[in-house]
Amino acid sequence: DSGVTQTPKHLITATGQRVTLRCSPRSGDLSVYWYQQSLDQGLQFLIQYYNGEERAKGNILERFSAQQFPDLHSELNLSSLELGDSALYFCASSAGQVSSYEQYFGPGTRLTVT
Amino acid sequence: TQLLEQSPQFLSIQEGENLTVYCNSSSVFSSLQWYRQEPGEGPVLLVTVVTGGEVKKLKRLTFQFGDARKDSSLHITAAQPGDTGLYLCAGGSNYKLTFGKGTLLTVNP
Repeated sequence: DSGVTQTPKHLITATGQRVTLRCSPRSGDLSVYWYQQSLDQGLQFLIQYYNGEERAKGNILERFSAQQFPDLHSELNLSSLELGDSALYFCASSAGQVSSYEQYFGPGTRLTVT
Repeated sequence: TQLLEQSPQFLSIQEGENLTVYCNSSSVFSSLQWYRQEPGEGPVLLVTVVTGGEVKKLKRLTFQFGDARKDSSLHITAAQPGDTGLYLCAGGSNYKLTFGKGTLLTVNP
């Protein structure tokens, strides 16, 4: 158990819909990262927040957005969903904000868009 | 765009054999991490290396960071079925980790 929690575990929704994925970091960690994992693309970095502020952006679509709240939990919002958005979405947390800090991953949310 | 190439993509061996998997890039990274991921679960961090030429050992696993900090290798001695999983390397630069696509290792009893 990494100490990072993600809900829900599974999500099935239709094209065009909007969903929200939730992540609680390890106790004391200030950074939260979101990743998308698909069979063909591997693990892709989406976005990072540090203590409530956006720190880095990766290959995140404009239809996707995220935020980190004062209690440090984070939400990833996916809108106008397409079939190709079906993937595993992971949240990770670390104590610091630079990449050399060890990242701890949650169990993931499996999103299926039908 | 920083890319990490992992090889081989798939590896199937018998219990007790040794193996080495590789992680290569044309970019320099400030740190490199290795993770192991089992189906349906999140990656689990195995090690972080930050110094060129650094070697770290974790029981039967030996990790090496290249002198130029562009590549790394993971060597497993006397592999066991419990070592089965997807091994991912990730290069760190500033605030981001870039992941390779992984080596899927199967250790048969």
